[in-house]
Amino acid sequence: NAGVTQTPKFQVLKTGQSMTLQCAQDMNHNSMYWYRQDPGMGLRLIYYSASEGTTDKGEVPNGYNVSRLNKREFSLRLESAAPSQTSVYFCASSGGTAYGYTFGSGTRLTVV
Amino acid sequence: SQELEQSPQSLIVQEGKNLTINCTSSKTLYGLYWYKQKYGEGLIFLMMLQKGGEEKSHEKITAKLDEKKQQSSLHITASQPSHAGIYLCGAALNRDDKIIFGKGTRLHILP
Repeated sequence: NAGVTQTPKFQVLKTGQSMTLQCAQDMNHNSMYWYRQDPGMGLRLIYYSASEGTTDKGEVPNGYNVSRLNKREFSLRLESAAPSQTSVYFCASSGGTAYGYTFGSGTRLTVV
Repeated sequence: SQELEQSPQSLIVQEGKNLTINCTSSKTLYGLYWYKQKYGEGLIFLMMLQKGGEEKSHEKITAKLDEKKQQSSLHITASQPSHAGIYLCGAALNRDDKIIFGKGTRLHILP
C-alpha cells in the first residue's frame, strides 16, 4: 500500500545515546515533516523539508537534526537523547497544502 | 503567531448520541483540516475545508467552516464505538504554509 513508512515503531534509549528515526514515502511528494506528539500538547512541528535538498526548523527543533536523503526519505536524528525527548514521533508527507498531509504510524520513543 | 483552539478537550458520549467538536483560529485560514487518530496509531485524514461556509461529510461525520474562515465544527451523528479516538484539527494560513495542529479532542463512546 502506498503511504509513509516509519521505522522503528518502538525504541528505548538511555540518556545520552543517539539514534536515527527513518521515514520513507512512495507518493512522490515534495514536502516532508517531522512532528512530535505529547499528552496535552498536540502535534508540534520539529523540522520540515519543502523539497529535496532543503530543510527548515519548525516549532521545537532543539536537540534534533534532520537529513533529506532523497525525495523519498527524511530522517530525524537525536544526537544525545534526553528524557524530555520521550514522545511519539510522526513523519508526514504532502503533495501540497491543498491535499493535507499523509502520516506514518509513528515511533514511540522512551528515553530513560 | 497562529493559534488553534479545540474544544472540548475530552468528550464522553453514549452510543447513538450526537456530538460536536469545535476548532477556532486566531487568524483567517487558507485551509482547515480534520484528522482522526485511533489510540496508539497514526492520523487518518478526514476532510479539508477551504471556502467560507463550506460543509463536507464523511460517512456520519460532517464538518463546516464558518463564513469568516476562522472557526470549524465537526459533528458526528448517531455516534458508534468506531468513532472513538482523538480528533485533531489542523490549519494553514496560506497555500505554501505548514499545517499547525490543535491539541486534539479525546472522544470516548459508551456502549
